[in-house]
Amino acid sequence: EVQLVESGGGLIQPGGSLRLSCAASGFTVSSNYMSWVRQAPGKGLEWVSVIYSGGSTYYADSVKGRFTISRDNSKNTLYLQMNSLRAEDTAVYYCARVAVVGVYTASYYYGMDVWGQGTTVTVSS
Amino acid sequence: DIQMTQSPSSLSASVGDRVTITCRASQSISSYLNWYQQKPGKAPKLLIYAASSLQSGVPSRFSGSGSGTDFTLTISSLQPEDFATYYCQQSYSTGWAFGQGTKVEIK
Repeated sequence: EVQLVESGGGLIQPGGSLRLSCAASGFTVSSNYMSWVRQAPGKGLEWVSVIYSGGSTYYADSVKGRFTISRDNSKNTLYLQMNSLRAEDTAVYYCARVAVVGVYTASYYYGMDVWGQGTTVTVSS
Repeated sequence: DIQMTQSPSSLSASVGDRVTITCRASQSISSYLNWYQQKPGKAPKLLIYAASSLQSGVPSRFSGSGSGTDFTLTISSLQPEDFATYYCQQSYSTGWAFGQGTKVEIK
C-alpha cells in the first residue's frame, strides 16, 4: 500500500528548531518529487518546499533560509528541518508525493497524489 | 511567483444543486491546474489535474475546464459527501501555489 506517515510535530518555543519526518511505504521517495504543505489553524493550504528526484530543492519565501528539506534514501524518508521558528509557522504540516499524473502531447502534468495524515507544529511560549 | 485567486470564498448549496467554483492565475499557466478537495481534519485529495482530467476514482459529477488564466470546477449534482473545501493549485512552475480555498456548505 502506498502510504506516507509524518511525525515529529509538537510544541516549540519561538526561535527553536524541530525536524519533521515523513516515512514512505509502497514507493521510493528518491524516485519522486516530494513536497511539504502546511495549513495554519482555520486557514488554507500553503506550499512550503519541494525536493526533486534529482536533488534540487525549492522553498516558499516565507521559510527560505530557515527550513531545509532533505531525504534519506536508505530509510525511504523525507525530512523538514525547521529552524528559527516563529508563531506564524504554527500549522499542520503535510508531506505529499508529487507525481506525474498525466501525459498529453509530451507534456507532463504533476499533482500531489499521495498525502500523509499531517503533523501539528505549535510555536508558542 | 504565480498567484492563484479563487471565488467565491464560500457558498451555500443544496443537495442536487449545480455548483461552480472559479480560479484565476496571475499569469498564463496553460492547463497546469489541479483541484483538490479537503474535508475537516483530513488531508487534501487530488480531484482533477491538467485542468480537466479526472483523477482515478473521482466521480464523474466533478469536472474542470479552462486554460491560460481562468479555470472552473463544476459539481453537476451536489451530493452530501461533497460538502468540503476546494482548492486550486498551479503546477506550471515551482512554487506550486494554492488558491485560498472555497468552502461548500449545506444550505
